[in-house]
Amino acid sequence: AQSVTQLGSHVSVSEGALVLLRCNYSSSVPPYLFWYVQYPNQGLQLLLKYTSAATLVKGINGFEAEFKKSETSFHLTKPSAHMSDAAEYFCAVSDGSGGYQKVTFGTGTKLQVIP
Amino acid sequence: EAQVTQNPRYLITVTGKKLTVTCSQNMNHEYMSWYRQDPGLGLRQIYYSMNVEVTDKGDVPEGYKVSRKEKRNFPLILESPSPNQTSLYFCASSLVGTNSPLHFGNGTRLTVT
Repeated sequence: AQSVTQLGSHVSVSEGALVLLRCNYSSSVPPYLFWYVQYPNQGLQLLLKYTSAATLVKGINGFEAEFKKSETSFHLTKPSAHMSDAAEYFCAVSDGSGGYQKVTFGTGTKLQVIP
Repeated sequence: EAQVTQNPRYLITVTGKKLTVTCSQNMNHEYMSWYRQDPGLGLRQIYYSMNVEVTDKGDVPEGYKVSRKEKRNFPLILESPSPNQTSLYFCASSLVGTNSPLHFGNGTRLTVT
């Protein structure tokens, strides 16, 4: 069974500081990994996805994530936080083994950006 | 515009009164799914559908029903809602394939009193 662990349910950073949101996964097969962002009163939107083409994945709004197989991690980073980055972020793993499509989400990390 | 549309956005009901939350997508996606979001628990899958007339249970299916009679629609039915079903619900769709990202609706906030 696959699972996703996001360390830190709340993260606070100052505007302009580095953003680092952690995600570790477990999967019995090579994983497809995603980061989604949820702004207040909205649904989730895709931020970026890893599909084995490259270990460093660039997404929207200046975010990127690095896939590290040896650490089973897919941490999300952004060099300089903006106020507009305040949102909740979800890491997800997708597994198609067994003939069905299963997406498992982490419990989410709320990012607060302090002016 | 490609989108997943859920209705209603907000719903307050009483225990035992049957309700339906509608979900429609205009992207010709085969895969559709329902999730509930609760604080500290993330998103948990209720039911999913790989195509018309093909549905299956997710992680938390108790108390819910779904149907997939048309490709674009995937309604969620609560035949006898209970207070523990108070939650934020999301419908999502995608192409079939594990690297296909999900497209989400804007959510339905359900309160059962």
